Amino acid sequence: GAVVSQHPSRVICKSGTSVKIECRSLDFQATTMFWYRQFPKQSLMLMATSNEGSKATYEQGVEKDKFLINHASLTLSTLTVTSAHPEDSSFYICSARAPTTGELFFGEGSRLTVL
Amino acid sequence: AQTVTQSQPEMSVQEAETVTLSCTYDTSESDYYLFWYKQPPSRQMILVIRQEAYKQQNATENRFSVNFQKAAKSFSLKISDSQLGDAAMYFCAYRSPYSGAGSYQLTFGKGTKLSVIP
Repeated sequence: GAVVSQHPSRVICKSGTSVKIECRSLDFQATTMFWYRQFPKQSLMLMATSNEGSKATYEQGVEKDKFLINHASLTLSTLTVTSAHPEDSSFYICSARAPTTGELFFGEGSRLTVL
Repeated sequence: AQTVTQSQPEMSVQEAETVTLSCTYDTSESDYYLFWYKQPPSRQMILVIRQEAYKQQNATENRFSVNFQKAAKSFSLKISDSQLGDAAMYFCAYRSPYSGAGSYQLTFGKGTKLSVIP
């Protein structure tokens, strides 16, 4: 079946640095990808919708300058957490929409820990 | 805005038995999609089953089936012959019908943690 891959799966960084997380759709071209954030024992909260070749659409309350999303190709979307702080520590998950069926496939997730 | 409610934070089931996970939702739309996703300890979300609101027949996938009650806005998941590998977080999700870029976004419930007892 379709596969969506995220990298890195785990990352630890110092406060004030930036971290980039990649989301790749391996089996299909994804014009639309989504980025979620999941706190421990909680549900997935949509952060933004990433559309290939255009600006991302951010959900209310999500700082677009802090969470930079780039969807430069049909198989890759990146989330960059800029000037990370401990409160940004979380599990970040991406999903990609299959163009023919519309089904969403999820990446394995990336755990960010900011010291 | 749509909301999805899962009223059971945790459930447990004996291996080989049947368990039902509850989900209710609120929407003013008549056509939509409902999903159950499984998130095992590995954390990758896996689609378990989907239901189109216009279909009256309940969806089934092997040991997984749903009880879709559109009027009651209820969408429960039944797992038959539970296996140890079924232990995971289960999320109910809602999606509006497609109407443009970004319309495939999902609204998730808070999840139900299912434990399977050997």
